[in-house]
Amino acid sequence: EVQLVESGGGLVQPGRSLRLSCAASGFTFDDYAMHWVRQAPGKGLEWVSGISWNSGSIGYADSVKGRFTISRDNAKNSLYLQMNSLRAEDTALYYCAKESAGAPYFDYWGQGTLVTVSS
Amino acid sequence: DIQMTQSPSTLSASVGDRVTITCRASQSISSWLAWYQQKPGKAPKLLIYKASSLESGVPSRFSGSGSGTEFTLTISSLQPDDFATYYCQQYNSYSLTFGGGTKVEIK
Repeated sequence: EVQLVESGGGLVQPGRSLRLSCAASGFTFDDYAMHWVRQAPGKGLEWVSGISWNSGSIGYADSVKGRFTISRDNAKNSLYLQMNSLRAEDTALYYCAKESAGAPYFDYWGQGTLVTVSS
Repeated sequence: DIQMTQSPSTLSASVGDRVTITCRASQSISSWLAWYQQKPGKAPKLLIYKASSLESGVPSRFSGSGSGTEFTLTISSLQPDDFATYYCQQYNSYSLTFGGGTKVEIK
């Protein structure tokens, strides 16, 4: 059974940093690209970032480019999101999502970790 | 970025109704479109990919159609478990984008 478990969320002040983690199990992690998708309270879904199986291809939404860094450790079956210079508008539930084989849509999602940016 | 516009934003329907949700892309995305269902407090669930391919395990009352810039998700006979919010997502360009969502409510 595929499982994606996010952690690392919490309350953080504007301008500070936070690192999210996603622990994956139930599939061959290094065969798949992985992504972060976020959802602000009461709002829709927003793609944040994605990383290929070997970290050779990485993409970011314009809203986080230059502030967020995605990475993965295939030996640990883990995905990460380093979030710097956080803003109030980054407040959201952050989902880790597995890319389907060969195309960037998402066949499995974690339950999310909540990031609240507030003073 | 490619903008995805869903309509309506809210839809009121009854059990047994045929329901259609529309998603329009700001430029052609061929058939690179997925549909998701999200229930309150839960993660999204993949329903349809490549515009019309049904994900394994998804009931056959769900169907997708369209290509280019206009797409539809149809629920042939709405069931109590289908009251949820539905999102489309384009994957034609790597700046992936979602529609704003359509909430299907009980009439």
